[in-house]
Amino acid sequence: GAVVSQHPSRVICKSGTSVKIECRSLDFQATTMFWYRQFPKKSLMLMATSNEGSKATYEQGVEKDKFLINHASLTLSTLTVTSAHPEDSSFYICSAPPGLAGNEQFFGPGTRLTVL
Amino acid sequence: GNSVTQMEGPVTLSEEAFLTINCTYTATGYPSLFWYVQYPGEGLQLLLKATKADDKGSNKGFEATYRKETTSFHLEKGSVQVSDSAVYFCALSLNTNAGKSTFGDGTTLTVKP
Repeated sequence: GAVVSQHPSRVICKSGTSVKIECRSLDFQATTMFWYRQFPKKSLMLMATSNEGSKATYEQGVEKDKFLINHASLTLSTLTVTSAHPEDSSFYICSAPPGLAGNEQFFGPGTRLTVL
Repeated sequence: GNSVTQMEGPVTLSEEAFLTINCTYTATGYPSLFWYVQYPGEGLQLLLKATKADDKGSNKGFEATYRKETTSFHLEKGSVQVSDSAVYFCALSLNTNAGKSTFGDGTTLTVKP
């Protein structure tokens, strides 16, 4: 089946620094990828839709200047958390629909971000 | 708009017990329905899906039937195992939405030996 990878799986950074998370579709091309944030009570919050070759579409309440998304190619989207603060600590997950009938998504394994 | 409501957890069962996790939805169109599973420390994996009314999705002993009349997609398994312990998410997706999905809040299942 389709595979989506994320890197890094875990990152610890100091407050005020920026962190980049990569999401790759390994065996299919994805013109669209999605970025989620998962809170401790396990609910998934859609942050933005990453569009290859154009600007990302952010959900209401998500700061686009803080969470920079770049979809540089048909297999790679990046999420950069800029000037990270402890409240940004979370589990970030990306996904991509492989374009199959039924619109399921394939998820990356997630990135655990801890901001000290 | 679109929404998914699923049974609140946590759910704790003994091994070999019967499992039901309820899921209902509202949608502006004709959605595809999914159950995803998340094991500890991992991303989500597709467990099963159904794309039209009365379809039954099944995988690893889990089943769910797309009920349009009750707008439901309840997840069932006849005999759970310890390895089924995970968080289960019900979700819907509209064909017009380029794969964008709406998720329920997730239900944590713990199966004890």
